[in-house]
Amino acid sequence: QSALTQPASVSGSPGQSITISCTGSSSDVGNYNRVSWYQHHPGEAPRLVIYEDNKRPSGVSNRFSGSKSGNTASLTISGLQDEDESDYHCCSYAGSRTFVFGSGTRVTV
Amino acid sequence: QVQLQQSGLRLVKPSQTLSLTCAISGDSVSSQGAAWTWIRQSPSGGLEWLGRTFYRSEWHYEYAESVKTRITINPDTSNNRFSLQLNSVTPEDTAVYYCARGVSATASFDYWGQGTLVTVSS
Repeated sequence: QSALTQPASVSGSPGQSITISCTGSSSDVGNYNRVSWYQHHPGEAPRLVIYEDNKRPSGVSNRFSGSKSGNTASLTISGLQDEDESDYHCCSYAGSRTFVFGSGTRVTV
Repeated sequence: QVQLQQSGLRLVKPSQTLSLTCAISGDSVSSQGAAWTWIRQSPSGGLEWLGRTFYRSEWHYEYAESVKTRITINPDTSNNRFSLQLNSVTPEDTAVYYCARGVSATASFDYWGQGTLVTVSS
C-alpha cells in the first residue's frame, strides 16, 4: 500500500487561508468516505481535526474544514493563526481492514 | 477523558524484539466500537499504520502487510492495556511508536499516546 501524497510544505500569513492536498487512489481516498486529518506538533501526540472527509470533532475550531474530490482530499485552514504552525497528516481507510497515511505536510505561518 | 500511557524499551538490538505497552484509562480495552492501534513515524516523517486489535464478541487482530509476518498486538484485559511486539527488528524499524484509540465507525483515531522513540542499534 503506497502512502498518500501530500505537499512537503505549505506556508501562509496570519489571517490567510491555506489548503493542503492529499492524493490517493480509487482503492482508498476515492472509494471510502473515511479520510481523517491530524495536527501534529513535534514532540506531542497527534490531534484529530477532521474525520469522515469533512466532519469536525467537538472542540476543533471551525477554521478547519475538509473536502474531497475524486481521489484527492483537502484540508483548509482559514484565518491562519500562529498556533496552526504544525505538521498535518491525512489518513484514509484502504479496504482489506487496513489504513494508509499521507507523507505529511509542514505548515508554516 | 481517555488517556493512553506508553511504556517499553527504547533501545533494541538488530534481530531482537521490540516490545511496547499502552495502558488505557477512561475506556476499556474490551470496549465495543474501539480498535486499539499502533502507528509509527519514521525519521523521514510519514506515519505508518501497523495494526490493531478489537473486541466484537471475540478478539480480532489486523496487521499491515509490511509487518504482518513480524508483528503481534495483544490485549491484556486484566490490566486494561494492549501491547506491541515486533520481531527481527532492523535499523529501518527505528521510529517513534504511538498507540491510539481507533473509532471503528469513523475509521479515525481520536486519542493517542505520547509516543516512544525506539532506536534499533547495536
